[in-house]
Amino acid sequence: EIVLTQSPDTLSLSPGERATLSCRASQSVISNYLAWYQQKPGQAPRLLIYGASSRATGITDRFSGSGSGTDFTLTISRLEPEDFAVYYCQQYGSSPITFGQGTRLEIK
Amino acid sequence: QVQLQESGPGLVKPSETLSLTCTVSGASISSHYWSWIRQPPGKGLEWIGFIYYSGTTNYNPSLKSRVTISIGTSKNQFSLKLSSVTPADTAVYYCARDSFNWNYQEYWGQGTLVTVSS
Repeated sequence: EIVLTQSPDTLSLSPGERATLSCRASQSVISNYLAWYQQKPGQAPRLLIYGASSRATGITDRFSGSGSGTDFTLTISRLEPEDFAVYYCQQYGSSPITFGQGTRLEIK
Repeated sequence: QVQLQESGPGLVKPSETLSLTCTVSGASISSHYWSWIRQPPGKGLEWIGFIYYSGTTNYNPSLKSRVTISIGTSKNQFSLKLSSVTPADTAVYYCARDSFNWNYQEYWGQGTLVTVSS
């Protein structure tokens, strides 16, 4: 099973700042099959990024994904108030599909 | 617009079987992969398993001995059964539609809280 470790656990930033979230895999993610999701309180997760760097339909270009192999990054270029949420990475290249533990992005 | 809605009992007794149904609208279940994912209160996401419309399934090994995912007898429904539940199975259960070729989740239901308690 591929274990995904996200860092930091909590990130405190102000609107307008740039956020960088990390996801490290315990072994190489096949074909960079890595996705990122955003989850707000009381809501289902929302797909942001798939294939490590492809934005899902309707996702603003303030969100970008990068990385390969075992190290992946989600970058939010200019934080808006609605971006403060929990973010999860997920690998779907190997079974079982696994998620990271999440990074909470909070307003500073 | 693809929409998914989970339904089923919100309270299940220990040792019994948890049964949930996901009703899909705006898309045919006869394509794509369809998944179940759960989230214990205040915790992260856990993939339970998926089914392809043909009936092919893949389950998380941590739950495999207790899980069954099937296509519903009614059109555009699929279901989850989890047997021999314990309080550790208390969670919000989500159904989701995966992308056409890969198993990331494009569309999610709103989720339903299932509590395991006597």
